[in-house]
Amino acid sequence: SYGLIQPPSVSVSPGQTASITCSGDKLGDKYAYWYQQRPGQSPVLVIYQNTNRPSGIPERFSGSNSGNTATLTITGTQAMDEADYYCQAWDTSIVIFGGGTKLTVL
Amino acid sequence: EVQLVQSRAEVKKPGESLKISCKGSGYSFTSYWIGWVRQMPGKGLEWMAIIYPGDSNIRYNPSFQDRVTISVDKSISTAYLQWSSLKASDTAMYYCARHVGYYYLDVWGRGTTVTVSS
Repeated sequence: SYGLIQPPSVSVSPGQTASITCSGDKLGDKYAYWYQQRPGQSPVLVIYQNTNRPSGIPERFSGSNSGNTATLTITGTQAMDEADYYCQAWDTSIVIFGGGTKLTVL
Repeated sequence: EVQLVQSRAEVKKPGESLKISCKGSGYSFTSYWIGWVRQMPGKGLEWMAIIYPGDSNIRYNPSFQDRVTISVDKSISTAYLQWSSLKASDTAMYYCARHVGYYYLDVWGRGTTVTVSS
């Protein structure tokens, strides 16, 4: 079955750029999606179809997807961005989530 | 405003049955797939199943197909997830979510906590 691999944790200083990767076989041939889940809250879609931001998501969130890796980039990271981030793809009729990355802003 | 309102938290014993619900509002309920995602304590997201209210077409993650049943009552814009015999390992938060096509999840409910303990 298809799998998506994320680093368990990423740390970033406030105001710096955070990059969270998601790896999967030929992931660049699929669409990648990203969700943010703050502690105690429901997930929120932050990137869809590789690069698009839903309404209400700040411009500092961006995405890319090529080869075997999709990347979520947060430019000018703020304390409020501290959360778990999950990548997602679709394969053979089911939704696949990565294992999640805990972003720490310190 | 698009909303998904989920039923309250449940505490059950092993072997009991359970049906949790998710009521959609603010959009055409029959035009979007709606599904369920499990999050076990301290763990990641696991996609379980989706249903299309327009025609009750269903897709299951094979990992969950033998454990749960998804259903819908489009007359009241409500989706359901049910178990016939709960296990302690079913203890988790369950989120319902609207799907765009069946490709991604654009609106999430607040979650229903299910605790199974003797």
